[in-house]
Amino acid sequence: GQSLEQPSEVTAVEGAIVQINCTYQTSGFYGLSWYQQHDGGAPTFLSYNGLDGLEETGRFSSFLSRSDSYGYLLLQELQMKDSASYFCAVSRGSASKIIFGSGTRLSIRP
Amino acid sequence: DVKVTQSSRYLVKRTGEKVFLECVQDMDHENMFWYRQDPGLGLRLIYFSYDVKMKEKGDIPEGYSVSREKKERFSLILESASTNQTSMYLCASSQGTSRGYEQYFGPGTRLTVT
Repeated sequence: GQSLEQPSEVTAVEGAIVQINCTYQTSGFYGLSWYQQHDGGAPTFLSYNGLDGLEETGRFSSFLSRSDSYGYLLLQELQMKDSASYFCAVSRGSASKIIFGSGTRLSIRP
Repeated sequence: DVKVTQSSRYLVKRTGEKVFLECVQDMDHENMFWYRQDPGLGLRLIYFSYDVKMKEKGDIPEGYSVSREKKERFSLILESASTNQTSMYLCASSQGTSRGYEQYFGPGTRLTVT
């Protein structure tokens, strides 16, 4: 079968750093993506890891370890606007065929 | 900017009705997808299409069908709506290349079946 595991909720303080972990089990693993969704909004693409290692995009970084079937999203210098749900998503067989995790709700407090 | 539009933001239908949800994208993307999103379950793939008239079942296709007659348009059909199909429906599109992991989503249709 296939599964993705990520924490359901995370709380952090404004200005701090938070890491959201994702572990997966799937055949035909191709890559790991991260999406952000604000309440009432549509998911938006944040990052993609096709190879092991760290990808950095501004305040956000994403990491992948294929051997451990594990990845994480790192958010630095947290801002109140980062309060949202974050989904990890696995591409299987090709870049386009994606399954999503159940999401992590990130709450930021002042 | 890629734009994905969905025909309705909110829809209320009765049990047994036939329901059509329409999605249009304006970036000439090869791939189009229909998901449903329910609290605590994330996004679950219903169907996807990688070309005109081509479709593949996702993880939860039961009770749904799709149609893609033109590249820019992908329709989701509920042949006989049931209350367990009350959900948020999201359409997405992506390139048919190695960047296919970057999906662009529409605003969603919140469907209530009574």
